[in-house]
Formats: sequence, C-alpha cells, structure tokens
Amino acid sequence: ETGVTQSPTHLIKTRGQQVTLRCSSQSGHNTVSWYQQALGQGPQFIFQYYREEENGRGNFPPRFSGLQFPNYSSELNVNALELDDSALYLCASSLGQGSTDTQYFGPGTRLTVL
Amino acid sequence: AQSVSQHNHHVILSEAASLELGCNYSYGGTVNLFWYVQYPGQHLQLLLKYFSGDPLVKGIKGFEAEFIKSKFSFNLRKPSVQWSDTAEYFCAVKMYGATNKLIFGTGTLLAVQP
Repeated sequence: ETGVTQSPTHLIKTRGQQVTLRCSSQSGHNTVSWYQQALGQGPQFIFQYYREEENGRGNFPPRFSGLQFPNYSSELNVNALELDDSALYLCASSLGQGSTDTQYFGPGTRLTVL
Repeated sequence: AQSVSQHNHHVILSEAASLELGCNYSYGGTVNLFWYVQYPGQHLQLLLKYFSGDPLVKGIKGFEAEFIKSKFSFNLRKPSVQWSDTAEYFCAVKMYGATNKLIFGTGTLLAVQP
C-alpha cells in the first residue's frame, strides 16, 4: 500500500454529465498528479498540482480541471463527459515536484460513460 | 513528441525462465527512468528507478534494469521468474528539468505458467 487513496472506486455516468474524482495524498507529500489510463494503454498525464497551483498539464481539453486543497488532497473534475472519457483515473502523490521525486499511485477510479 | 516504446505486449513464460522486457524512449536529454508493476487487482507499484550513477539498478523481488544511454533503452530483467510475477509491467520516463510528468509505455502483460 502506498498511502494514496482515491474515491469512488467505480462510477457510471452518462454522456454530457459532470464528474468529480477525489484523491488523498500520502502523508507528507505536497504534489499530486492525475493520469488517465484507457483500456490496453499506459497512463497518460493529465495535470499536476504543487502547493495548490497547477504545475503542468498534458494534452487534455479544458473540461478536465482540478483542485488541490491546503491538506494536499486533490480533485479531478470532468465536464461534458464523452464516451471516450471511460477509463481508469489514477492519482499519484510525490514528496515534491523535482525530477527525482518518485510518484506513488493510488488504486484508481474506474469511470464508465454510457 | 517524446515517447516510450515497449516492444513486447504479451509475454508468456514458464516458471524459472529468464525474463527481459524491452523499453526504449525518444528524448535526447537527461532522463529519469522507472519500471512500475501492476499485479492483478492491485494498484501500480514502483519496481525500480534510475536517476544517475551505476546504470545497472536493482529493484524489489529480484528484478533489475540496465540503462544504456547510447541505445535510449532501459530493459527490465529477472533471471528466474515465478508464477507470482504474473502482472502488467510499465516502463516510464521523466525528462529532467521539465514538468514532473511521467511518460508511460503501453505496458507488457506477463503471464508465468506454473
């Protein structure tokens, strides 16, 4: 176990709806990264938060947004859900934002969009 | 764009066989390299990492990987696999100095037959 927790475990939504996924970082970690893992693919970087500020973003549209709270927990929000958003969403926390900081992953949230 | 290639998508081995999983990346600068493993029903776990120094790194459960800078490769090896090594293995690269994102390969599914 890494100490990174995510909720909910599974979620089913319909196209056009909005969803919020939550992540609790490992104790002492101030950086959270979010990844999308489609079936049969490796995780794809969505964005990263460091001390409540977005600190880098991957190739995802603006309807993917996030927040990080003072306790370093984080949310991923997705608006106007599309069928292709169906995936496993992974949260990873790290001690800092440096290149040598190792990211530790949570169990993920499985999102299904119908 | 930077990318990570894992050449073997599915590998089937018998117990005690030797394992080598290939990983190549496309980036000319300094990189940090990782192998993560995902056992059935579990979250992504760090197997080993390379930041600098000795290009041969040892990880958990008898795994090792060798960084060959001239070949842009970071292959994972284990001399003798066990049934419990059945899992999906992901190679990941972090570009030094850039956004602290991991770029993952598509993964290799390893099945070890008893």
